[in-house]
Amino acid sequence: EDQVTQSPEALRLQEGESSSLNCSYTVSGLRGLFWYRQDPGKGPEFLFTLYSAGEEKEKERLKATLTKKESFLHITAPKPEDSATYLCAVLTGSGNTGKLIFGQGTTLQVKP
Amino acid sequence: DTEVTQTPKHLVMGMTNKKSLKCEQHMGHRAMYWYKQKAKKPPELMFVYSYEKLSINESVPSRFSPECPNSSLLNLHLHALQPEDSALYLCASSHTRSTSGKYEQYFGPGTRLTVT
Repeated sequence: EDQVTQSPEALRLQEGESSSLNCSYTVSGLRGLFWYRQDPGKGPEFLFTLYSAGEEKEKERLKATLTKKESFLHITAPKPEDSATYLCAVLTGSGNTGKLIFGQGTTLQVKP
Repeated sequence: DTEVTQTPKHLVMGMTNKKSLKCEQHMGHRAMYWYKQKAKKPPELMFVYSYEKLSINESVPSRFSPECPNSSLLNLHLHALQPEDSALYLCASSHTRSTSGKYEQYFGPGTRLTVT
């Protein structure tokens, strides 16, 4: 069965304290791995897509990496405005669209 | 522009009401999705439309009825809902395998539904 697991569930950081979020997955056919940011009461905001092991993407203080079994979202010198829930999702299945399977998310709180 | 719009933002309905949620995108995406999200949980897939045809129904109760009138619009018709159906309903859109090598889904802001 396809499964996505994120850790930790919650993470508290001081402003400027760098850390990493983990997303491990077991899927029968990976078509892509996605990272989203979600603020309370809002829709997920697309951050990155990774398609193959070894791939890396960066955006401001965020950097996403992918191996054959997991992905990491590295947050460098976070600011309070980075506080949100970060969702990892894998695209599996055949056909024109496939299906997104989400992890449970990591809720990040950055204190000033 | 990567915007998906949803109306209304909030909806309160009784268990005997009929209401509809609306979603619109103008990114040229030919795949559109409905998700349901409960508090502190990830989004759960409900329906997928590909080229205006229903391609995936995740065993959703018939009180939820999706409709895709054209390539830019997606509706979710609601009838005889239960209080446990209260949730954030999210619409998303993406390219398909046959139109692009990029499959990222872009989400709308959601409709907060409360069933009383």
